[in-house]
Amino acid sequence: DVKVTQSSRYLVKRTGEKVFLECVQDMDHENMFWYRQDPGLGLRLIYFSYDVKMKEKGDIPEGYSVSREKKERFSLILESASTNQTSMYLCASSLSAGSYEQYFGPGTRLTVT
Amino acid sequence: GDSVTQMEGPVTLSEEAFLTINCTYTATGYPSLFWYVQYPGEGLQLLLKATKADDKGSNKGFEATYRKETTSFHLEKGSVQVSDSAVYFCALSKGSARQLTFGSGTQLTVLP
Repeated sequence: DVKVTQSSRYLVKRTGEKVFLECVQDMDHENMFWYRQDPGLGLRLIYFSYDVKMKEKGDIPEGYSVSREKKERFSLILESASTNQTSMYLCASSLSAGSYEQYFGPGTRLTVT
Repeated sequence: GDSVTQMEGPVTLSEEAFLTINCTYTATGYPSLFWYVQYPGEGLQLLLKATKADDKGSNKGFEATYRKETTSFHLEKGSVQVSDSAVYFCALSKGSARQLTFGSGTQLTVLP
């Protein structure tokens, strides 16, 4: 069965802290994605990766970075967390460039105080 | 850039009512179109998809037809159930990794 897991369901951090959100998929997928979900805005793409060590900016990359050292793991990093980064973060993966279906993790609700 | 406009919610229906959630898109080229569903406390799941004009996607009684002339992909179901209560997202995909652009989501509540 397809599985995308995220390291935490809920996270509370202070302003200025460095925050790591981890995502792991067990399907040998090429592509991995990070989105944030906010009420009334839907999901917005932050970064994606189509191969190990390869990454591309999405629509809202400012304030974020990513790391993909292994195929199965894709990390989202908030270098200095701010209150406007309080949100639900969703990770997804897909098999290849020609694959249409993305598989989503359960999400991490991050609160920055 | 590409965008998806989705019917504002929330939508509340009685069980067995007919459902329509409107979705229109703006995109260059020929995107693929999707409906994803998010049940409470869970991540998104693919509900149905259409990859070219006039394709009809269907799953679990839900249907949507890719209309290029009206740039629309409206979601319909003839008879909703309480278990259909969820948030529904319309999306399009393009690009090297088929990255998704989502609409704002529509909360559906079905009452018994």
